[in-house]
Amino acid sequence: DGGITQSPKYLFRKEGQNVTLSCEQNLNHDAMYWYRQDPGQGLRLIYYSQIVNDFQKGDIAEGYSVSREKKESFPLTVTSAQKNPTAFYLCASGGGELFFGSGTQLSVL
Amino acid sequence: GQNIDQPTEMTATEGAIVQINCTYQTSGFNGLFWYQQHAGEAPTFLSYNVLDGLEEKGRFSSFLSRSKGYSYLLLKELQMKDSASYLCAMRNGNSGGYQKVTFGTGTKLQVIP
Repeated sequence: DGGITQSPKYLFRKEGQNVTLSCEQNLNHDAMYWYRQDPGQGLRLIYYSQIVNDFQKGDIAEGYSVSREKKESFPLTVTSAQKNPTAFYLCASGGGELFFGSGTQLSVL
Repeated sequence: GQNIDQPTEMTATEGAIVQINCTYQTSGFNGLFWYQQHAGEAPTFLSYNVLDGLEEKGRFSSFLSRSKGYSYLLLKELQMKDSASYLCAMRNGNSGGYQKVTFGTGTKLQVIP
């Protein structure tokens, strides 16, 4: 079945550690997005990409990094520079309507 | 830059009609979306407007006025399962040809018996 898959569902980060969230889609979409959602809040754009090997900063890119080496994959790394990483992270793809993965809940140990 | 405003919370009665408003300011507007999100889940697509007017889809309708920077989502015959957050999102392009989708903070709707 076509869709967008995020993993893991839950992730814990230790102090000073980088962690990577996976996002894979088989919908043949060019555009992919990463959003952060804090409790009771809307979605804030971290990074987005419209084509392989190209990506743009969103509204809250500091402390995060991405890569887009393949059309299907858009992993997000939460670096140690992100001092408040606890949040629900959502990956999406699509040129019109966005299709979302099921999300990753990141917490700090 | 861009800014999207919508009410934080609303309450409505089962069987009634509710209208959730969204206002926005942006350059390079290229479409407005509405999504539904239940707690702890990913958003699901409800509607998309790029031209002025009303789009109807079953119990849900969405309206857009580009000149006023205004949209609303209309939910009819409310059901208890409609209790969720409703997210207004805007797609806009910049001079570099990049298209991004930005979300508002969401409106939490509570449907009561």
